[in-house]
Amino acid sequence: GQNIDQPTEMTATEGAIVQINCTYQTSGFNGLFWYQQHAGEAPTFLSYNVLDGLEEKGRFSSFLSRSKGYSHLLLKELQMKDSASYLCAVTTDSWGKFQFGAGTQVVVTP
Amino acid sequence: SAVISQKPSRDICQRGTSLTIQCQVDSQVTMMFWYRQQPGQSLTLIATANQGSEATYESGFVIDKFPISRPNLTFSTLTVSNMSPEDSSIYLCSVPDLNTGELFFGEGSRLTVL
Repeated sequence: GQNIDQPTEMTATEGAIVQINCTYQTSGFNGLFWYQQHAGEAPTFLSYNVLDGLEEKGRFSSFLSRSKGYSHLLLKELQMKDSASYLCAVTTDSWGKFQFGAGTQVVVTP
Repeated sequence: SAVISQKPSRDICQRGTSLTIQCQVDSQVTMMFWYRQQPGQSLTLIATANQGSEATYESGFVIDKFPISRPNLTFSTLTVSNMSPEDSSIYLCSVPDLNTGELFFGEGSRLTVL
């Protein structure tokens, strides 16, 4: 079967750093994507990795190790607006067909 | 990036009825997808909407329950048929950027079935 696992919830304080881990077991691999979803809204794209290594986009960065079936999303200098669900998603064949993890709810406290 | 409009944005429906959700994209796109997000859960792919031919459904989803139309490269509809409370979900239309693989989502249609 295909599995994408990520923690259910994480709590951190404003200004801190949080790392969300994602492990996957899929029949193929084209890329791993991270999405942010605020309550009641559609997901929005944050970052993606196709090759091993680190991708940095401002306060957010994502890391991928294909041999380990592992990725993480790093959120730095946390702000209250970063409180949201973060979805790990893998595309295995054609673009647009994603397998999504259950999401990690990040709670940022003052 | 593509701009995707969905309607209705939300609706409350009676058990046994059917509702059609519309998705309009501001540019011609080859691929369009319909996802479902049940309360407190992540997104699940329902089907790929194919222009000019029948949709391709994922395991657990069938055409009789979720008929899909794709009359052209900018528009698609998803019908949720004979609804039950278990169909209460957010339904999302999406299109991929074929260069980056990024998936763009419509605002979603939140259905509540009583």
